Amino acid sequence: QKEVEQDPGPLSVPEGAIVSLNCTYSNSAFQYFMWYRQYSRKGPELLMYTYSSGNKEDGRFTAQVDKSSKYISLFIRDSQPSDSATYLCAMSSNQAGTALIFGKGTTLSVSS
Amino acid sequence: GAVVSQHPSWVICKSGTSVKIECRSLDFQATTMFWYRQFPKQSLMLMATSNEGSKATYEQGVEKDKFLINHASLTLSTLTVTSAHPEDSSFYICSARTGLSYNSPLHFGNGTRLTVT
Repeated sequence: QKEVEQDPGPLSVPEGAIVSLNCTYSNSAFQYFMWYRQYSRKGPELLMYTYSSGNKEDGRFTAQVDKSSKYISLFIRDSQPSDSATYLCAMSSNQAGTALIFGKGTTLSVSS
Repeated sequence: GAVVSQHPSWVICKSGTSVKIECRSLDFQATTMFWYRQFPKQSLMLMATSNEGSKATYEQGVEKDKFLINHASLTLSTLTVTSAHPEDSSFYICSARTGLSYNSPLHFGNGTRLTVT
């Protein structure tokens, strides 16, 4: 089993839809969770950063972490064509020197 | 916000030649920078951790003599792909932490697309 699993999609939704992106993980030591957005031929851009369990909201984006289920989610409300990109989850443990572990990314397409 | 600048954004080179990629932190000092590699439709794979003033730490399976990393200042790290081969063609991305904590989030450059012919 891979440390981080993420459905690669592609996921296609109409403009204005609510999008749900998810990752599961196996390492219970993970404490820090991030979501990145990557446009084609560009580097990843940090969207959300959360610690431990709970919710975090930033504009149209909401990140949820359920450590008991080892499951994290990113919700996008009122999706826009400009949200079309690949979304990568990433996580790390609380141990010095550990690298971020990335999911494979989910490709999202929002049609107008 | 934090900005990581990477140059060049794309490069084409012939087999056997070397290519240098630069990564700069523009508005913060980065004692540690990270180099990733990404194949199409694949996730980012950490290649090495670049430490200012000391030797880089390479991940298992990454040839340190092929991927030379230099981190001579707090704002600049370079990756040199030596004796490039077509299988080295990939998207190389650098990143850095803006905070001192090892768990502060990573910020990424815009990547370098390398094509070896």
